[in-house]
Amino acid sequence: GENVEQHPSTLSVQEGDSAVIKCTYSDSASNYFPWYKQELGKRPQLIIDIRSNVGEKKDQRIAVTLNKTAKHFSLHITETQPEDSAVYFCAASYGGSQGNLIFGKGTKLSVKP
Amino acid sequence: EAGVAQSPRYKIIEKRQSVAFWCNPISGHATLYWYQQILGQGPKLLIQFQNNGVVDDSQLPKDRFSAERLKGVDSTLKIQPAKLEDSAVYLCASSFHGGTEAFFGQGTRLTVV
Repeated sequence: GENVEQHPSTLSVQEGDSAVIKCTYSDSASNYFPWYKQELGKRPQLIIDIRSNVGEKKDQRIAVTLNKTAKHFSLHITETQPEDSAVYFCAASYGGSQGNLIFGKGTKLSVKP
Repeated sequence: EAGVAQSPRYKIIEKRQSVAFWCNPISGHATLYWYQQILGQGPKLLIQFQNNGVVDDSQLPKDRFSAERLKGVDSTLKIQPAKLEDSAVYLCASSFHGGTEAFFGQGTRLTVV
């Protein structure tokens, strides 16, 4: 069945460093790849997304890259800040306009001041 | 814009009891998802509705879980009878249609004792 693998499961960086989280997906028909940030006890919230017709997208300190051939996509956070500490989930859509979102298992990011 | 509303926020029940969760999606969103999020894991899709029809319920434990979305708006998720392993946060999400940005509710934290 559909699957999304996410690595690493935990990531610890110093404030100001960059953080990279990687995901792979199994269905070559997937066309939408969102990233969610979930702070402790709160709902997942979308931070950036990318569609399969785009290779890279940036929003201030956050960027996402997509390699359709290899079926993987990555989240890049530059100049990390303590408030970036949270669990980050990648997801991939399956099934087109009737499709759903399958989530990775999450990466717990800790940014140390 | 009002977000996805869920109730209750917290529920504690004994095993073998029944419980129901309610979700009101964002107005105009055709797609509604129920996810189960066990502590430390990513959201796992239980069921997806497109309007009032079920699109995907392949991971719904149908011997104990049921869900409905009458009139294509509000939805309820029921567990009967509950097991200890059902302890989790149940997240409702909605999107304009499948394969697009999903907006999450605050979730219902279920503890089965």
